[in-house]
Amino acid sequence: GAGVSQTPSNKVTEKGKYVELRCDPISGHTALYWYRQSLGQGPEFLIYFQGTGAADDSGLPNDRFFAVRPEGSVSTLKIQRTERGDSAVYLCASSLNTGTDTQYFGPGTRLTVL
Amino acid sequence: AQRVTQPEKLLSVFKGAPVELKCNYSYSGSPELFWYVQYSRQRLQLLLRHISRESIKGFTADLNKGETSFHLKKPFAQEEDSAMYYCALSGKAAGNKLTFGGGTRVLVKP
Repeated sequence: GAGVSQTPSNKVTEKGKYVELRCDPISGHTALYWYRQSLGQGPEFLIYFQGTGAADDSGLPNDRFFAVRPEGSVSTLKIQRTERGDSAVYLCASSLNTGTDTQYFGPGTRLTVL
Repeated sequence: AQRVTQPEKLLSVFKGAPVELKCNYSYSGSPELFWYVQYSRQRLQLLLRHISRESIKGFTADLNKGETSFHLKKPFAQEEDSAMYYCALSGKAAGNKLTFGGGTRVLVKP
């Protein structure tokens, strides 16, 4: 079946602009995770959803970052007033449930802030 | 706070030689440890997890709680093993999020 998909695959924006990154999880997966991977580093946790609610948003770096999952499926990561330091690959993952279920990753969105 | 350390950024070995990727962690409680792999131009995928105690593609990893390590090993490396490998940790105290190490790039030379 279809895996996790993310759009766009690449996004170039200017400093100060607003961006939205979309994640389509595997159908039926109730848990959805966002990670950020800067160049030369491992992925870092941002936020995860169980259903529609954000169960843990402790990884969001500041209040410019926000994520939603209004119907418990697709999720959107929103970044306001982008800064050059936000440039990274943003990864989405989903799992059947939380706990020990395997997380399946999407291909990522490469965000470049000029 | 939980932390995962992969001390080697790059491991270069010849085909048929053994390869060992080091992973050390710090965590309060009972962690769950994973190895993820990312082949060139592919997405991140689970290689193995310690609770499964299985060998995948010839790789094994043993959780050593005394040394807080979860090293990944393969006795005979193949060229198709060339990839980026990430050690990761999860657990009840960490919620369900994964904490990743910085990654080790493995290059298997013919």
